[in-house]
Amino acid sequence: SQTIHQWPATLVQPVGSPLSLECTVEGTSNPNLYWYRQAAGRGLQLLFYSVGIGQISSEVPQNLSASRPQDRQFILSSKKLLLSDSGFYLCAWSTTGDTEAFFGQGTRLTVV
Amino acid sequence: SQQGEEDPQALSIQEGENATMNCSYKTSINNLQWYRQNSGRGLVHLILIRSNEREKHSGRLRVTLDTSKKSSSLLITASRAADTASYFCATAGVPGGYNKLIFGAGTRLAVHP
Repeated sequence: SQTIHQWPATLVQPVGSPLSLECTVEGTSNPNLYWYRQAAGRGLQLLFYSVGIGQISSEVPQNLSASRPQDRQFILSSKKLLLSDSGFYLCAWSTTGDTEAFFGQGTRLTVV
Repeated sequence: SQQGEEDPQALSIQEGENATMNCSYKTSINNLQWYRQNSGRGLVHLILIRSNEREKHSGRLRVTLDTSKKSSSLLITASRAADTASYFCATAGVPGGYNKLIFGAGTRLAVHP
């Protein structure tokens, strides 16, 4: 069966520090991969999506970047965190863009 | 910008009552999906309705889709306290592309015992 792992669950980082969040999927190949951010009590904002290794589409200009070094690995990074980068980050995968998506448990990032 | 918009933003009901949430979207779609999110957790897929379907049932859930109005509704019948969560609709379509799954702002449902 397919599983998705996202870590860490919580993270507190100082302003200006780097960030690396990792997401891995097991039990499937060539998935679509997604990074979303969710502000408290709000909806999901699509940050990045990838349809294959090395293929990254960015949805909003921001202080973050994404990479897909392997088929089932999706990494969200920042060189220097801003206070506004705080939020709940969710990784997800799907077979195609308009089929059921499976979500990780999320990372709550607090930039202080 | 988000593709789907739910209303109401928040809904408070008593156990046993029905809860109806609505979603509007802006693109041409192959299907529309509904998800549930418990506080502080990831989203869980509830149901998918295809563009050529008008209604779909799954247990206590009933989803309708009106492609002419670009809208969908999620009905939860005989609600329970355990149904307390946020509910989101999601679509992928044109323009934007079928590889982008976009979520609405969600409806926060509170079911009181």
